[in-house]
Amino acid sequence: KAGVTQTPRYLIKTRGQQVTLSCSPISGHRSVSWYQQTPGQGLQFLFEYFSETQRNKGNFPGRFSGRQFSNSRSEMNVSTLELGDSALYLCASSFTGTSGGDTQYFGPGTRLTVL
Amino acid sequence: QKEVEQDPGPLSVPEGAIVSLNCTYSNSAFQYFMWYRQYSRKGPELLMYTYSSGNKEDGRFTAQVDKSSKYISLFIRDSQPSDSATYLCAMSATSGTYKYIFGTGTRLKVLA
Repeated sequence: KAGVTQTPRYLIKTRGQQVTLSCSPISGHRSVSWYQQTPGQGLQFLFEYFSETQRNKGNFPGRFSGRQFSNSRSEMNVSTLELGDSALYLCASSFTGTSGGDTQYFGPGTRLTVL
Repeated sequence: QKEVEQDPGPLSVPEGAIVSLNCTYSNSAFQYFMWYRQYSRKGPELLMYTYSSGNKEDGRFTAQVDKSSKYISLFIRDSQPSDSATYLCAMSATSGTYKYIFGTGTRLKVLA
């Protein structure tokens, strides 16, 4: 079974630009979560989508948004990029995303550098 | 205070040593506890998954959960250089839609 895939793997942008990241979950998984990973803060939850609806949201500004398509693929968008947005963005998929018993599987991440 | 605390390390041990990695947490609603391993430039990979208190063993890895102390551990026996990675603990509550809360990770280096 193919794992979670993320594209692109690396991105370099300048301040003020916007960026869109893509995630394809494991086949059959309907929940997709996004995380930001930085050396200082570790892994921080951005949001979770299930059946095209945002179900959970972390404490990030509105510049961070996402969506999910009918095939469960998800995109994350960051507008008006800031230097502090430089991070590894990870996508994780799970079957239902409900109850703690449903484990998440991570993709390799997209490394975003903002200059 | 963060919900989950994890010593960032780095932790350097000789090959063959027993490694102990730990996390403490403050939210008593956490019931599911996970350990992930993350190699450089890769996404986290699920290593161990436990529910509630107790021990779970898988090969060289043992996960322990002590809910009364709000403390979880991952033990690695006969550590190998290939175990060199960052180890992340993660936790989630028992019901409803969930989100994982992660520790910041402990960097482990096993010296040959």
